[in-house]
Amino acid sequence: SQQGEEDPQALSIQEGENATMNCSYKTSINNLQWYRQNSGRGLVHLILIRSNEREKHSGRLRVTLDTSKKSSSLLITASRAADTASYFCATDARETSGSRLTFGEGTQLTVNP
Amino acid sequence: DAGITQSPRYKITETGRQVTLMCHQTWSHSYMFWYRQDLGHGLRLIYYSAAADITDKGEVPDGYVVSRSKTENFPLTLESATRSQTSVYFCASRVGAYTGELFFGEGSRLTVL
Repeated sequence: SQQGEEDPQALSIQEGENATMNCSYKTSINNLQWYRQNSGRGLVHLILIRSNEREKHSGRLRVTLDTSKKSSSLLITASRAADTASYFCATDARETSGSRLTFGEGTQLTVNP
Repeated sequence: DAGITQSPRYKITETGRQVTLMCHQTWSHSYMFWYRQDLGHGLRLIYYSAAADITDKGEVPDGYVVSRSKTENFPLTLESATRSQTSVYFCASRVGAYTGELFFGEGSRLTVL
């Protein structure tokens, strides 16, 4: 079963607007990561937030983590047409043996020029 | 810097045939993973490997076989392909356990007729 669930499944905005995507998960985690996937391509890592962090920034990206609510959000500010892609959250859970990330189903973001 | 490469990128086969998807990484990362991506299911882990000659099952291992005789290679074999194995397959690698991001290949799109 999927650990992370993204919301919304699809988001369409105008260039310049902010885009917010949410992720909920079920078990305790070591860290939560966000990835981006352009159509027909592999996933690319965007940002990692550890379980003891509440907020992290990277360029136009802002990620928050609320471990009490088991949720995270990804904010992309001043969006561009080139931000059009699918965005996935992935959880690195404490209980899993070894090292493996569990991915949600993703949010499809469309930024209209 | 080649990174992680998958081959073939596209493959069409028939039910019952054996298919091998190749994955090669140039970083000497310890961990390697195979995911499949399907609409409505996101990415699901098939198998992973912590080191050469060490492999373990993921969420959906049935019908797949892996091996890892060398650190840099992690082939995935479908012993007798079924239509339900039509999917996009992604190989990924990671430095170690709980040590950050996954690096993905570009994917292998497999169609089983």
